[in-house]
Amino acid sequence: SQKIEQNSEALNIQEGKTATLTCNYTNYSPAYLQWYRQDPGRGPVFLLLIRENEKEKRKERLKVTFDTTLKQSLFHITASQPADSATYLCALVESNYQLIWGAGTKLIIKP
Amino acid sequence: DVKVTQSSRYLVKRTGEKVFLECVQDMDHENMFWYRQDPGLGLRLIYFSYDVKMKEKGDIPEGYSVSREKKERFSLILESASTNQTSMYLCASSLPTAPKAGPLQETQYFGPGTRLLVL
Repeated sequence: SQKIEQNSEALNIQEGKTATLTCNYTNYSPAYLQWYRQDPGRGPVFLLLIRENEKEKRKERLKVTFDTTLKQSLFHITASQPADSATYLCALVESNYQLIWGAGTKLIIKP
Repeated sequence: DVKVTQSSRYLVKRTGEKVFLECVQDMDHENMFWYRQDPGLGLRLIYFSYDVKMKEKGDIPEGYSVSREKKERFSLILESASTNQTSMYLCASSLPTAPKAGPLQETQYFGPGTRLLVL
């Protein structure tokens, strides 16, 4: 069956370290993949988009990679700060223009 | 900045009541979406609309209907609320990637969500 997986367990990272979140998918051929941030009681906010022909995308302290062979995207936050604590969602977009969402990974940055 | 607003942050309704959730966006986006979000599950698409008076079923349309009479407004209706419809409801809007091609793949802009409790 088709599915998109993110680590359901919270990720605890010490402030200043790099946080890496994983998004794995099976049985999809995504045209591109997006990452969103969601704070408690709020709607998701778009962070980055990476296309299937791009290996890496950066925005300030954020970096996303996309490996279509491994069927995996990694989301990195460098020099992490407590304010980065949130749930991070990945969503992939297939060629038929359907948006498929992961359940999200909760990231906790400890001071 | 795109702004998407939802009519209520919190709602408490009784089983069998008719419930209206309204969403308004101010960026002239063609596409609008209604999702529900439950713990441990990804966002699940209920309905979407890519134009005024147009609507398409998402993955879980049962028990819901929608209305898009104006471009900026997309309403979700629970005809007869049930306890299994207790959830966080999120509205989103976006631009299309190609004219009238269907739901958008580019950035989706979300409202703050409505947390609905059905007793």
